[in-house]
Amino acid sequence: AQKITQTQPGMFVQEKEAVTLDCTYDTSDQSYGLFWYKQPSSGEMIFLIYQGSYDEQNATEGRYSLNFQKARKSANLVISASQLGDSAMYFCAMGSNYKLTFGKGTLLTVNP
Amino acid sequence: DAGVTQSPTHLIKTRGQQVTLRCSPISGHKSVSWYQQVLGQGPQFIFQYYEKEERGRGNFPDRFSARQFPNYSSELNVNALLLGDSALYLCASSLAAGYWGSPLHFGNGTRLTVT
Repeated sequence: AQKITQTQPGMFVQEKEAVTLDCTYDTSDQSYGLFWYKQPSSGEMIFLIYQGSYDEQNATEGRYSLNFQKARKSANLVISASQLGDSAMYFCAMGSNYKLTFGKGTLLTVNP
Repeated sequence: DAGVTQSPTHLIKTRGQQVTLRCSPISGHKSVSWYQQVLGQGPQFIFQYYEKEERGRGNFPDRFSARQFPNYSSELNVNALLLGDSALYLCASSLAAGYWGSPLHFGNGTRLTVT
């Protein structure tokens, strides 16, 4: 069985600062993908970044980077230069075969 | 290009009724998945369809069923509604059946309230 753990129910960050959202996972699969999604209060799930289990380099997408530590089974999301519009729920998810398994999410609040 | 579209956006039903939710994937995407998101939780996998065949099913009762049409759109049906079925139902599409390098693109969801 796959499991995603997000231990931070809520995080606060000042505008323009960087923030790290934690994610650990558990799986017996050798091939899997790790994803981060953003869900604003409006409800839509927005894909942010992807890391494959065999990728040796950490993924980056603009202000988002994924700190992938395979031995520790962690896949933390780093958001640089936070903006007010980054305030939202953030979900870490693991993909294997036909489904994604999501964590419970972290509510990020960016303060001006 | 249009994203994943879902209809209706909101729905109110009473216990015991049946409901059908609809989803149109992004053009060119052949895989459609359904997820249930209860308030305060992450989405839970219900079904995946690829090329009109069911590829996976989550831990949901048989009251939940789905199908995919030749144009790759999909319907999710829930029979004998319970109060606990109240949730945001998310549809997602992707190019491939697996998830390596092929992220899910979600619709805005259908908010179902069962009274």
